[in-house]
Amino acid sequence: AQKVTQAQTEISVVEKEDVTLDCVYETRDTTYYLFWYKQPPSGELVFLIRRNSFDEQNEISGRYSWNFQKSTSSFNFTITASQVVDSAVYFCALSGLTSYGKLTFGQGTILTVHP
Amino acid sequence: EPEVTQTPSHQVTQMGQEVILRCVPISNHLYFYWYRQILGQKVEFLVSFYNNEISEKSEIFDDQFSVERPDGSNFTLKIRSTKLEDSAMYFCASKWGVGGNTIYFGEGSWLTVV
Repeated sequence: AQKVTQAQTEISVVEKEDVTLDCVYETRDTTYYLFWYKQPPSGELVFLIRRNSFDEQNEISGRYSWNFQKSTSSFNFTITASQVVDSAVYFCALSGLTSYGKLTFGQGTILTVHP
Repeated sequence: EPEVTQTPSHQVTQMGQEVILRCVPISNHLYFYWYRQILGQKVEFLVSFYNNEISEKSEIFDDQFSVERPDGSNFTLKIRSTKLEDSAMYFCASKWGVGGNTIYFGEGSWLTVV
């Protein structure tokens, strides 16, 4: 069975602060995929990033960066210089190679960025 | 940019009524999904659909639920006899191929059962 845990229920920061969202996962698959999705107040789910289990290189994309560590089963997501528009619920999700794309989501972290 | 579209955006229905939620996945995608999110909770997998049949379903997806791809573009979720606990946001999603391709979600259909 797969499981995703986002221990941070809510985070509140002031604009321009950096913020890191934690994600820990469990899977028996040897090949799997990790995702971050953003859900703004309007409700839609917006894809942010994807990482394959066999590629632990961490990257930066604009203000977003992620830290994937297989040894600790963690896939943390950082927003640099946060903005008010970043306020949303952020979901970490996991998909195994053997499934047909079934995503297992974490509980989500509510991020509030204050001006 | 291609997107997944869902209708209706919001539907209110009486308990016991049948509801059909409609989705148009991204045109060259082959895998289709429905997910559900009860207010304030996480997103939960309902069903995946590939090659005109259900490939996987969760325990939530009981006999009250069915999916169909009636033509080459639409993908529907039917709830036969709605219950109060079916009130949720229902997301349609699609992806192109097997493995870890990104799954793209529609904007959701908010179902309220009264």
